[in-house]
Amino acid sequence: GIQVEQSPPDLILQEGANSTLRCNFSDSVNNLQWFHQNPWGQLINLFYIPSGTKQNGRLSATTVATERYSLLYISSSQTTDSGVYFCAVEGETSGSRLTFGEGTQLTVNP
Amino acid sequence: DAGVTQSPTHLIKTRGQQVTLRCSPKSGHDTVSWYQQALGQGPQFIFQYYEEEERQRGNFPDRFSGHQFPNYSSELNVNALLLGDSALYLCASSFGWVLAYEQYFGPGTRLTVT
Repeated sequence: GIQVEQSPPDLILQEGANSTLRCNFSDSVNNLQWFHQNPWGQLINLFYIPSGTKQNGRLSATTVATERYSLLYISSSQTTDSGVYFCAVEGETSGSRLTFGEGTQLTVNP
Repeated sequence: DAGVTQSPTHLIKTRGQQVTLRCSPKSGHDTVSWYQQALGQGPQFIFQYYEEEERQRGNFPDRFSGHQFPNYSSELNVNALLLGDSALYLCASSFGWVLAYEQYFGPGTRLTVT
């Protein structure tokens, strides 16, 4: 099946810093989503971005489908940005199931 | 607009017992998927229901079974619980299952098997 790799696994920032999270995938995809998992386990939708670039406030994402990667940018980070960020994909041949990466644990210190 | 809801929030069961988890999809959605998330890992796909039928299944044993009702809500059943079944169980809903539409997740049910 499709493989998803996220980097870095852990990231520690000072409040106000910018960061880039990366997601590599091994095959063509129909869907790619970025999620933020809060301390209580809730997965919060950030972006639905199988290709192209989107922005939402301090967050933006870019997916280059032909090169099989996606980037999540967080600018002017805040302590509330802390948590685990997941990339999940639906492969073209795997039906509408999401395959998740192992996540990036982000800690933003005041 | 109600999002995806799950019940119960937490559950403690004994090894060998059976458990049923419930999920109501987001308004307007007709497809429900279940995922298992072990501590420190990403969610793993269990199975997906559309039109009251299991459409896809991940690499999980037959002890894991499910059901979808005419109102699109769904249940996940796990029989003969093992200690390794302790995890966060997440339900996701979407519209349709052939095309790739955005999936939305519920808050999860945290299952502890002792």
